Amino acid sequence: AQKVTQAQTEISVVEKEDVTLDCVYETRDTTYYLFWYKQPPSGELVFLIRRNSFDEQNEISGRYSWNFQKSTSSFNFTITASQVVDSAVYFCALSEYQNTGNQFYFGTGTSLTVIP
Amino acid sequence: GAGVSQSPSNKVTEKGKDVELRCDPISGHTALYWYRQRLGQGLEFLIYFQGNSAPDKSGLPSDRFSAERTGESVSTLTIQRTQQEDSAVYLCASSPTRGGRGETQYFGPGTRLLVL
Repeated sequence: AQKVTQAQTEISVVEKEDVTLDCVYETRDTTYYLFWYKQPPSGELVFLIRRNSFDEQNEISGRYSWNFQKSTSSFNFTITASQVVDSAVYFCALSEYQNTGNQFYFGTGTSLTVIP
Repeated sequence: GAGVSQSPSNKVTEKGKDVELRCDPISGHTALYWYRQRLGQGLEFLIYFQGNSAPDKSGLPSDRFSAERTGESVSTLTIQRTQQEDSAVYLCASSPTRGGRGETQYFGPGTRLLVL
């Protein structure tokens, strides 16, 4: 079973539309962290946000917002008023501890295309 | 300051040859991570170093893969007897302290490996 599932493989929106990228995770750890990274066409992953399992407060950063719900094991990412520069592949990631050490899992990514 | 650098940026090799991929982390970063990203797929965690030691090598795909780090700095990922299935982008990341679950990882641009 996938530890991190991003069911949306590709999404296209028209500029200025809002878009939500879904992320569902699976873990037995009580202390874990969730991340979102952006991978623009240039290829280098860029960190967007980190959330620990004890902090379910939603966060807003400019046009970006994140909705963390432990009850549904989801950590969704919303871009408001999308722009062409938002076009990229977005990865959700989970970090947890297993008896062999810290483990890091990435989803398969959602490719977002914002059409001008 | 300088980010994570990786070399070479691209590598084409013949099946059966050995390759070495190099990662220079951000100066002062204690933890270093290696991932593999196959075309159109998510990141597959391979190994991470706390300082010069790797707590868990179970993520390495086979015994043809090995990694080492010296001086809490440069790391080398070696693939022996390369196979076509090894073709992928190999990403390196570093983080400031000891690779804890909550640490933000800073990624390099990757090495694109093509095995013919």
